[in-house]
Amino acid sequence: AQSVTQLDSQVPVFEEAPVELRCNYSSSVSVYLFWYVQYPNQGLQLLLKYLSGSTLVKGINGFEAEFNKSQTSFHLRKPSVHISDTAEYFCAVSGSNFGNEKLTFGTGTRLTIIP
Amino acid sequence: SAVISQKPSRDICQRGTSLTIQCQVDSQVTMMFWYRQQPGQSLTLIATANQGSEATYESGFVIDKFPISRPNLTFSTLTVSNMSPEDSSIYLCSAGQGVSYEQYFGPGTRLTVT
Repeated sequence: AQSVTQLDSQVPVFEEAPVELRCNYSSSVSVYLFWYVQYPNQGLQLLLKYLSGSTLVKGINGFEAEFNKSQTSFHLRKPSVHISDTAEYFCAVSGSNFGNEKLTFGTGTRLTIIP
Repeated sequence: SAVISQKPSRDICQRGTSLTIQCQVDSQVTMMFWYRQQPGQSLTLIATANQGSEATYESGFVIDKFPISRPNLTFSTLTVSNMSPEDSSIYLCSAGQGVSYEQYFGPGTRLTVT
C-alpha cells in the first residue's frame, strides 16, 4: 500500500516569489509520482509526473518537481508565482506495476498568491 | 490525452433517493475510476471499473451503496443509492490508459443531499 503526506495545508506566497510545496510518500513497491492542480470549481489537471529517468521533471505552467528516493520526497517548485497559480495542489502516488494504477492522493495544499 | 465529461455537473437531491452520474470519455480507455471529494478534503477512491468485469471497490465502499456500470470502453456510471446528507460531495471520474499510468479527470459532479 502507498500513502502520501503533504506537510502544508496552506501556503501563502507573494506574487513573483518562489514557492515549494512539499510531498512525502511511503510505499513498499516502486512508485510513480504525480502532481495535480485543482482550480476553484474545476476538476483535476495533471501538472507533471515522474515515472523513471531524470529525477527532475518539468511540467506545465512553469512548475517542476524533484524525485528524491532516499528522502521519499517529490516536492513541487516554481521560481516565480503568478496570481493565476492560486489553486489546490495534490500530490499522488501509484504503483509502478500493471494492475496497480490506482492513485492515492495527499490531503492537498492550498496555494494562495498575495498581490 | 483524454477528454472526460460528466453529467450532471451538479444536483440537489432529497434524502433516500438515488442519483446516477454519467462519465463519458472521448477515446477508448482501459481503466476508469470513481473518486469522492468531500468538502475541503482530498480525493478518495471509491472503485475501479474495467470494461467487462465487476467493479473493484475500496475499503469502506460497497456495491449496494455505489453500484457502477462499465458497458463499454468509453462510458461508465456511478449510482449513489439511498442518499443521506453525508453523501454530499463532489464525485469525479477519471480514466487511465495503463501504459502511461496517467489519469485524466472529469470536471466532477457536485452533489448536495438535503
